[in-house]
Amino acid sequence: GQNIDQPTEMTATEGAIVQINCTYQTSGFNGLFWYQQHAGEAPTFLSYNVLDGLEEKGRFSSFLSRSKGYSYLLLKELQMKDSASYLCACMDSNYQLIWGAGTKLIIKP
Amino acid sequence: DAMVIQNPRYQVTQFGKPVTLSCSQTLNHNVMYWYQQKSSQAPKLLFHYYDKDFNNEADTPDNFQSRRPNTSFCFLDIRSPGLGDAAMYLCATSPPHRETWINEQFFGPGTRLTVL
Repeated sequence: GQNIDQPTEMTATEGAIVQINCTYQTSGFNGLFWYQQHAGEAPTFLSYNVLDGLEEKGRFSSFLSRSKGYSYLLLKELQMKDSASYLCACMDSNYQLIWGAGTKLIIKP
Repeated sequence: DAMVIQNPRYQVTQFGKPVTLSCSQTLNHNVMYWYQQKSSQAPKLLFHYYDKDFNNEADTPDNFQSRRPNTSFCFLDIRSPGLGDAAMYLCATSPPHRETWINEQFFGPGTRLTVL
């Protein structure tokens, strides 16, 4: 079966760094996405990895290891506005997204 | 600005009363998706269209139907809403996978459905 696992909730302090992990098992692999979703709003695209390694985009970085079926999203210099759910999603061999349930990130002052 | 638009943003309906949610896009994307998302859960794919080719997910209830009259518009019909259908309904689009490196899905703001 296809499965995406990520922690349900994490808490971090403003200005700090947090790493959100994601492990996956899918039928085929055409890349891994990270989306940010604020409460009551639609997901917005953060990053895409299809090759092993680290992709950096400002305060956010995403890492992929295909051999381990593992990714993480790294958020630096946390701001209060980063409080949101972060969804990991894998694109399978049919180019469909398999979604995780999301990690709710709580930022404390 | 090119975008995905969903109307209404909030919809209230009565148990068993049919309801239609709409989605339009100005991105000229061939692929459109309807997702159902309940609180703290992953989005659940209901339908997707590749151009006019309709794809129904195996576990989408018969109570849900969809129409795509043209490239720009897509509708989600719920024939007899039950209390369990209360959720956020998200419309998304993407270009054909062969045309882009990143098959990013672009989401509309969603319609939050309440069933009384």
